[in-house]
Amino acid sequence: QVTLKESGPVLVKPTETLTLTCTVSGFSLSNARMGVSWIRQPPGKALEWLAHIFSNDEKSYTTSLKSRLSISKDTSKSQVVLTVTNMDPVDTATYYCARTLNYDILTGYWGNYFDYWGQGTLVTVSS
Amino acid sequence: QTVVTQEPSLTVSPGGTVTLTCASSTGAVTGIYNPNWFQQKPGQAPRALIYNTNNRHSWTPARFSGSLLGGRAALTLSAVQPEDEAEYYCLLYFGGRGVFGGGTKLTVL
Repeated sequence: QVTLKESGPVLVKPTETLTLTCTVSGFSLSNARMGVSWIRQPPGKALEWLAHIFSNDEKSYTTSLKSRLSISKDTSKSQVVLTVTNMDPVDTATYYCARTLNYDILTGYWGNYFDYWGQGTLVTVSS
Repeated sequence: QTVVTQEPSLTVSPGGTVTLTCASSTGAVTGIYNPNWFQQKPGQAPRALIYNTNNRHSWTPARFSGSLLGGRAALTLSAVQPEDEAEYYCLLYFGGRGVFGGGTKLTVL
């Protein structure tokens, strides 16, 4: 059974650094075709893709936030960590992690896709 | 910054068919953009429906289908059920970076 669970602070102050952890189970972060993505959703707004990391340590970031984001993984702990620097009230959102694959063994197709999502964690930025 | 555009809202009658689309500011959407579709109901995390244009996940009902239509990615719901009322998001990949659309609020009425 694949599960992902986000954890981190519920409240951060402006200018602080946010550190979120995604703990996964039911699969290994060392699996050749698997990775984890981070996504956020401000209250009442659309989803925003933030970053992903794959088992080979390939990383990618959204262009608009690239200078503020960092993603890493600890395979032994089954955890993926996202840090967001210089937090601002506009960064208030529910942050999700999702399992991401880059190869579909059923079709033999190479391409990124999501399957399982975490429940999300609401982070509020306020002084 | 690449923009992905979806219809803000659509309404469909129960039992009817509706198509949601997903357009890119860079031009026609093709399979190389790996279109993914998600459903989100209020207060819940999104749920993956379709990946790589037209592949259903094991849990996706057969009434959901994905395709490319007129230069856009498309999600068609057939024989719509009341429980299909939700927000639907597409995700496209550009050079390894993902971009979500703004979402389509589907009302079943």
